[in-house]
Amino acid sequence: QQKVQQSPESLIVPEGAMTSLNCTFSDSASQYFAWYRQHSGKAPKALMSIFSNGEKEEGRFTIHLNKASLHFSLHIRDSQPSDSALYLCAVSMGGNYKYVFGAGTRLKVIA
Amino acid sequence: NAGVIQTPRHKVTGKGQEATLWCEPISGHSAVFWYRQTIVQGLEFLTYFRNQAPIDDSGMPKERFSAQMPNQSHSTLKIQSTQPQDSAVYLCASSSGGAYAEQFFGPGTRLTVL
Repeated sequence: QQKVQQSPESLIVPEGAMTSLNCTFSDSASQYFAWYRQHSGKAPKALMSIFSNGEKEEGRFTIHLNKASLHFSLHIRDSQPSDSALYLCAVSMGGNYKYVFGAGTRLKVIA
Repeated sequence: NAGVIQTPRHKVTGKGQEATLWCEPISGHSAVFWYRQTIVQGLEFLTYFRNQAPIDDSGMPKERFSAQMPNQSHSTLKIQSTQPQDSAVYLCASSSGGAYAEQFFGPGTRLTVL
């Protein structure tokens, strides 16, 4: 059964800093890897996804995937107070299959 | 595009009562997923449908939970004899069905069982 773990559990960073969030998974057959952001009281919203080894950048956000080490990460450049939220990593056998989520990292960006 | 619609947004039931939660997926999306979110357990998969057919209900508590998708425009999650431990935010998501399609989440229904 797929196990997905996130670190750290919580993080406080100053505005403008680089933030790095980590996610490990247990099933090497996993195909689809995504990061969701959830503001308090709101629905989770997709930030980025990746399905092949390497790196993908969109604006201030970069996702890294290393399938061999069963690890992917999200990096936020120039963190803003509006980035304060719960960040959830999700792993699946494909976008058309169920996600298994990590427990989340709660990020607070202080102005 | 209104996104995924869930009703009601909040529901309070007494212990032992029944609760029915509704989800309207994004028009044209062929896959519908139900998840449950609590502080302690996080975001957990319950069940999902593809083209209205049940595909995987491995996350559903077997005895009191059931889900249906009678047509492509809505799905229901029914909880019989609700218990306090069923209190959670129930989230519905839909996707277009492509191999790497993003899942779009609705705002959720917060169920409180007294």
